Amino acid sequence: QKEVEQDPGPLSVPEGAIVSLNCTYSNSAFQYFMWYRQYSRKGPELLMYTYSSGNKEDGRFTAQVDKSSKYISLFIRDSQPSDSATYLCAMSASSNYKLTFGKGTLLTVNP
Amino acid sequence: EAGVAQSPRYKIIEKRQSVAFWCNPISGHATLYWYQQILGQGPKLLIQFQNNGVVDDSQLPKDRFSAERLKGVDSTLKIQPAKLEDSAVYLCASSGGSFEQFFGPGTRLTVL
Repeated sequence: QKEVEQDPGPLSVPEGAIVSLNCTYSNSAFQYFMWYRQYSRKGPELLMYTYSSGNKEDGRFTAQVDKSSKYISLFIRDSQPSDSATYLCAMSASSNYKLTFGKGTLLTVNP
Repeated sequence: EAGVAQSPRYKIIEKRQSVAFWCNPISGHATLYWYQQILGQGPKLLIQFQNNGVVDDSQLPKDRFSAERLKGVDSTLKIQPAKLEDSAVYLCASSGGSFEQFFGPGTRLTVL
């Protein structure tokens, strides 16, 4: 079993849709949970991070963590064509900041 | 603030040849990472430096890959000899002492 599992998609939605992206993990030592966005031929950029169970909101983006189920989600409201990218979940144990990434989900938002 | 710089952006080589990638991290960032991202996969950590010391190189194929960080600033990653399965994007990232890592644009390597 991989430490981090992420559905690679691809996911195609119309503009304005609500998008749900998910990851599961098996390592209980993971304490920090991040979502990175990667545009084509660019490096990943940090979108959101959280270190506790519950929800964290930032504009149209909501990150959700359920440590008891080892499950994290990213919700995008009112999706825009500019949100078209690969979304990577990443996790870290607090001791070393080493990131373990999911495979990434390719999202396309159609105008 | 300038971001992480990497060069070259693209490289095409034949198998068994050598190749080197260069990374200049964000000024003041003590921690530097090299990742390998194969098409359709998430980045996989190859090596982590803290200043000019190696913190983690457990996933670096040491028979062909080597990396160094000069004076705790710039870093180079070398592959010698390259194999077909080394075709990937090589990402450099740096951080200033927290979990937040800042990535460069990557070097896309094609091994023929």
